[in-house]
Amino acid sequence: NAGVTQTPKFRILKIGQSMTLQCTQDMNHNYMYWYRQDPGMGLKLIYYSVGAGITDKGEVPNGYNVSRSTTEDFPLRLELAAPSQTSVYFCASSYSGQPQHFGDGTRLSIL
Amino acid sequence: QQQVKQSPQSLIVQKGGISIINCAYENTAFDYFPWYQQFPGKGPALLIAIRPDVSEKKEGRFTISFNKSAKQFSLHIMDSQPGDSATYFCAAESEGNTPLVFGKGTRLSVIA
Repeated sequence: NAGVTQTPKFRILKIGQSMTLQCTQDMNHNYMYWYRQDPGMGLKLIYYSVGAGITDKGEVPNGYNVSRSTTEDFPLRLELAAPSQTSVYFCASSYSGQPQHFGDGTRLSIL
Repeated sequence: QQQVKQSPQSLIVQKGGISIINCAYENTAFDYFPWYQQFPGKGPALLIAIRPDVSEKKEGRFTISFNKSAKQFSLHIMDSQPGDSATYFCAAESEGNTPLVFGKGTRLSVIA
């Protein structure tokens, strides 16, 4: 019973590098979300998806891209890493109208 | 614009005491109000939730109180235990499964 799995758990990037944060869920949820969590700032929504092939911007989408080719996977792409993107990233999934289930996060540092 | 305001930012409570965390919202279209609990190194997990058709919901030691006219809701943790030490987030959502809006979180420390 894996739930929401995020990889990697930790990563250090240099400014200007790119990377993809992986998220997969095995609950057949149609909704998936990406959040970033900064100290004292709560969770801010980056992008979300209501189903395969459909994505939409959240509160803080700049500098990120997503795709949703399958129900299970929702990767988050950073194209040109900037220090402001140092954060903890959480992926979540849910059925429509049901509580969100979160992964354990990816801790990303950009130096 | 912060749609859900949470207070306090941090809270220290003696073991056995009552922990109270408050949230206020602005959007009257919100109709689902969950609380999430987060331990260090883990993702948030749903603790308890309420809809505005009731004024209170209790699950074990955890109670949500909801005041629709004041646009406020709060989490009460009775008989607080050291194992309750975590960060708590309130959130709100409107009909149609628009994404949750989270408060900034409260770090609770329960000391023996």
